[in-house]
Amino acid sequence: DAKTTQPTSMDCAEGRAANLPCNHSTISGNEYVYWYRQIHSQGPQYIIHGLKNNETNEMASLIITEDRKSSTLILPHATLRDTAVYYCIVRLDSGNTPLVFGKGTRLSVIA
Amino acid sequence: EPEVTQTPSHQVTQMGQEVILRCVPISNHLYFYWYRQILGQKVEFLVSFYNNEISEKSEIFDDQFSVERPDGSNFTLKIRSTKLEDSAMYFCASRDGLSNQPQHFGDGTRLSIL
Repeated sequence: DAKTTQPTSMDCAEGRAANLPCNHSTISGNEYVYWYRQIHSQGPQYIIHGLKNNETNEMASLIITEDRKSSTLILPHATLRDTAVYYCIVRLDSGNTPLVFGKGTRLSVIA
Repeated sequence: EPEVTQTPSHQVTQMGQEVILRCVPISNHLYFYWYRQILGQKVEFLVSFYNNEISEKSEIFDDQFSVERPDGSNFTLKIRSTKLEDSAMYFCASRDGLSNQPQHFGDGTRLSIL
């Protein structure tokens, strides 16, 4: 089972920041937090990941709390194309370890 | 940007028939995976493959399933005798050998069993 808890759905106005929360209270010290998204039935798309420091790339920012029990994915200026299911996944840093997907958060960006 | 490619995009097969789903992982990647997603359900792990052998597999990956890397570029999933419940999207993923790197997914093959 997934080790994360996410809201089922969220709405965000186009152009505004989308802040997607994730709880992972049982995360262990060598587990990373990964974020993926899935648009319609396309393959999951990697967004960002981190261990304990905040991370930023061209798609998003990841804020991890100091105790690492929760994190927030931030899409700074959401567009209609960001409408998707967003998955927060904790994963051991080991080559063979699979990703365990939960139900994710369905983000709807509204014009 | 390099990507994982999967063929065919849609496969329709009669129940009981064998099916082979094909994937071309990103060049130089070393770890390979298959996942599936039944319509309306979660993405589920099937199998991981490294150094020409299965590393991990889930309960779903029973004797009807097999994987192969027949050459330096392709990675295949074979279902020996398909069942109606095998109907799903099948996603291939790959990652490179460095630690802490993400898996990258293809856009999947929709398998429909009649």
